[in-house]
Amino acid sequence: DTEVTQTPKHLVMGMTNKKSLKCEQHMGHRAMYWYKQKAKKPPELMFVYSYEKLSINESVPSRFSPECPNSSLLNLHLHALQPEDSALYLCASSRQEMGEKLFFGSGTQLSVL
Amino acid sequence: GENVEQHPSTLSVQEGDSAVIKCTYSDSASNYFPWYKQELGKRPQLIIDIRSNVGEKKDQRIAVTLNKTAKHFSLHITETQPEDSAVYFCAATPYSSASKIIFGSGTRLSIRP
Repeated sequence: DTEVTQTPKHLVMGMTNKKSLKCEQHMGHRAMYWYKQKAKKPPELMFVYSYEKLSINESVPSRFSPECPNSSLLNLHLHALQPEDSALYLCASSRQEMGEKLFFGSGTQLSVL
Repeated sequence: GENVEQHPSTLSVQEGDSAVIKCTYSDSASNYFPWYKQELGKRPQLIIDIRSNVGEKKDQRIAVTLNKTAKHFSLHITETQPEDSAVYFCAATPYSSASKIIFGSGTRLSIRP
C-alpha cells in the first residue's frame, strides 16, 4: 500500500461548527504533514509530526488543532473557522523527517460559510 | 530563510516539443531538490528529485539539472505529450530545516495538440 488516504474528500462547515479531517498511511512512514493549498498556489506547510510528536507548527491559528494518535493516523481538528480558511487541505507522509519524497493524499476540499 | 523562485508561471508548447522550467534558490545549504506534478483536481506527485551531490538525473523523458554554484536547477521534459499538461512545482529543502520543503510558485504547462 503506497497511498495516503484522506477523509472526507469534501467538507462544508459553518463558522461555529467543529469538524475533523482524517489521514491514514500504512507505509511505515514516521513523518506526517498537514499542508494548506489555495487555488493556483503551492502547498503551504502547517504542521509536521515526527515519530508521533509535533515537531513543527508554522504559526498556525489555534482554531486548527492537529493530533497524531499513532504512527499511521493524523487528524486535523477544526473549530470556529473563518471563510478565508476555505482551501484544499493536504496530508502527506515521508519515510522520515528529512529531505525525503513526500507522498500526498488527495486532499479535503474545505468550504467555510 | 530559503526562498525558491520559479519561472515561467505559464508555459505552452506544441505536442512533441520540449519544455523547460527553471528555479533558483537562496540557501546555499539546501541539499534536496524535488519536482512535483499536480494535475487539475489531483494530489501533487513527485516526478523526479535530485540531491546536491549530483549534477543531473534522468528518468525517461524527464531530466533535472542542478548548478550549485549558480544556485539554480531546471526541469526538462522532452517529446511532450497531452498527459504532461499540469502544474509543476519545484522545491528545495534547506539543510537547517530538513522537513520544511520550500515550494516554488508553480508553472502551469499546457501541451497544444
